[in-house]
Amino acid sequence: EPEVTQTPSHQVTQMGQEVILRCVPISNHLYFYWYRQILGQKVEFLVSFYNNEISEKSEIFDDQFSVERPDGSNFTLKIRSTKLEDSAMYFCASSYGSGANVLTFGAGSRLTVL
Amino acid sequence: DAKTTQPNSMESNEEEPVHLPCNHSTISGTDYIHWYRQLPSQGPEYVIHGLTSNVNNRMASLAIAEDRKSSTLILHRATLRDAAVYYCILNTGTASKLTFGTGTRLQVTL
Repeated sequence: EPEVTQTPSHQVTQMGQEVILRCVPISNHLYFYWYRQILGQKVEFLVSFYNNEISEKSEIFDDQFSVERPDGSNFTLKIRSTKLEDSAMYFCASSYGSGANVLTFGAGSRLTVL
Repeated sequence: DAKTTQPNSMESNEEEPVHLPCNHSTISGTDYIHWYRQLPSQGPEYVIHGLTSNVNNRMASLAIAEDRKSSTLILHRATLRDAAVYYCILNTGTASKLTFGTGTRLQVTL
């Protein structure tokens, strides 16, 4: 079964450092998403991406965050200057976009900011 | 997004059927009813979705009330591997995002 793959599985960084989280969505999917989940809290929407541009973003997705699809397969989330409160699991998801729009999620990247 | 209400937690015995309820009294005519689950330390996983009619797949069944204001996810024979948080989510489909609530934590015991 096709799957969404995320790297790294766990990253530890110092506050103020830049972090890039990488995702390989399912190959024929057209819509890409990033979500995050702080330990013990809800899964929160960050951003959706279609046709090489952001289609929707939440209040969490401020100027410190950016997304990019640098080639035909990768979808990245960059955090420019990490804060302690950015520590969370980050989930990438993709979907074909039509009909009920079923999302397929990756296993997540755990980010720890010290 | 229209709101859903689910019990915080439920328990089941292994190999027994489990009925997970969801209320969505403000559902609109174009909202799909989605169910996802999140196993411990994993990403959310699609379970099933429906619009008006009951649905079956290899993982579960979805029973939708005639007025669409509630639905029930049915796991026919719960196993220990079904212990997870189950989320009932409404969305309008066609590329719209999913908004997760707190879900129902299902415990399965021997």
